[in-house]
Amino acid sequence: GAVVSQHPSRVICKSGTSVKIECRSLDFQATTMFWYRQFPKQSLMLMATSNEGSKATYEQGVEKDKFLINHASLTLSTLTVTSAHPEDSSFYICSARARQGRRETQYFGPGTRLLVL
Amino acid sequence: AQSVTQLGSHVSVSEGALVLLRCNYSSSVPPYLFWYVQYPNQGLQLLLKYTSAATLVKGINGFEAEFKKSETSFHLTKPSAHMSDAAEYFCAVSFSGGYNKLIFGAGTRLAVHP
Repeated sequence: GAVVSQHPSRVICKSGTSVKIECRSLDFQATTMFWYRQFPKQSLMLMATSNEGSKATYEQGVEKDKFLINHASLTLSTLTVTSAHPEDSSFYICSARARQGRRETQYFGPGTRLLVL
Repeated sequence: AQSVTQLGSHVSVSEGALVLLRCNYSSSVPPYLFWYVQYPNQGLQLLLKYTSAATLVKGINGFEAEFKKSETSFHLTKPSAHMSDAAEYFCAVSFSGGYNKLIFGAGTRLAVHP
């Protein structure tokens, strides 16, 4: 089946630094990718929809200047957490939408655990 | 507005017993419904999905779910639980085309004991 990878799988950073997380679709092209955040013992919350070649669409309450999304190619989307603070510590999961004819499927990456000290 | 409610944040069953995880949805348009499983520190894996075809949907690992419009439900079942089924399960709803935007329920943690 289709595979979505994320890098890094785990990152620890100091408060005030920026962290970039990559999401790649390994064997298919994804014009649309999604970024989710999952706090401990909670569900996934959609942060933004990333479209190749255009600006990301952010969900209400998500700061676009803090969570920068770049979808520069059909296989790569990046999420940069700028000036990270401890409250940004979370599990970040991306997904990529694959389309085969009229069939669509969404594949999830393994997630990136961010800890901000 | 569309939403998903999963009844029971924790469900515990014996190995070999029936698994029933409940999901109710609210939607003003015909929904697409999904069940995902998440193992610790991993992403989500699709178990099954309802996309307006057959109301009884069979998924992987022996799971199935039935869409009941009159009850606005999409409960997940498995006749006989295995130890390997212990995980977090999420119900999700999407609209207008299936994969534009997924709204997830709060999740149900399934524990399977010997």
